[in-house]
Amino acid sequence: SQQGEEDPQALSIQEGENATMNCSYKTSINNLQWYRQNSGRGLVHLILIRSNEREKHSGRLRVTLDTSKKSSSLLITASRAADTASYFCATVEIGTSYGKLTFGQGTILTVHP
Amino acid sequence: EPEVTQTPSHQVTQMGQEVILRCVPISNHLYFYWYRQILGQKVEFLVSFYNNEISEKSEIFDDQFSVERPDGSNFTLKIRSTKLEDSAMYFCAKNLLAGNTIYFGEGSWLTVV
Repeated sequence: SQQGEEDPQALSIQEGENATMNCSYKTSINNLQWYRQNSGRGLVHLILIRSNEREKHSGRLRVTLDTSKKSSSLLITASRAADTASYFCATVEIGTSYGKLTFGQGTILTVHP
Repeated sequence: EPEVTQTPSHQVTQMGQEVILRCVPISNHLYFYWYRQILGQKVEFLVSFYNNEISEKSEIFDDQFSVERPDGSNFTLKIRSTKLEDSAMYFCAKNLLAGNTIYFGEGSWLTVV
């Protein structure tokens, strides 16, 4: 698998349910960032988690990072139709410039009202 | 208020023509980047720019591409002689400090015909 692979590729849920997306990567990282992209639009930053952190929260979002397994998860609680978007994890690998993000293919989340 | 403003939002150009994409990073950030996303594919790093020079570039960023920040405000990406495969969404991004959150603009759709 490639650096920053999300799983599942697509997720369809009902409003009010929780959505969990996973990301795996292969190299050692400085940090991992999650982004959201509405169709054809820009990338909206959600959360940055550093390699020495294990969990972060922001509103309805919870991100975990397990560096021993080289994986991260994004949990969206009490989902809304407006959460429908593509979600990407992106890593900054150790030894590269801090702005060089390596993105995954993304998870397409559809929340049905 | 957007962190990063990009122009044009959409441009159609003939193959072989030069294209300049512009980015106005609001506020006094130091690190600037260009990324691109070919339709249906991953977001890919092109180049990072710090202190008025390129700090890192990908293999995609060949001699056809150049970047500059001529007036200390606008940050531009120039493609000298566009090819069909340059058709993509181009994102400008920035951060204040290395290792911090990277903010993306809304993107510029480039269609080469």
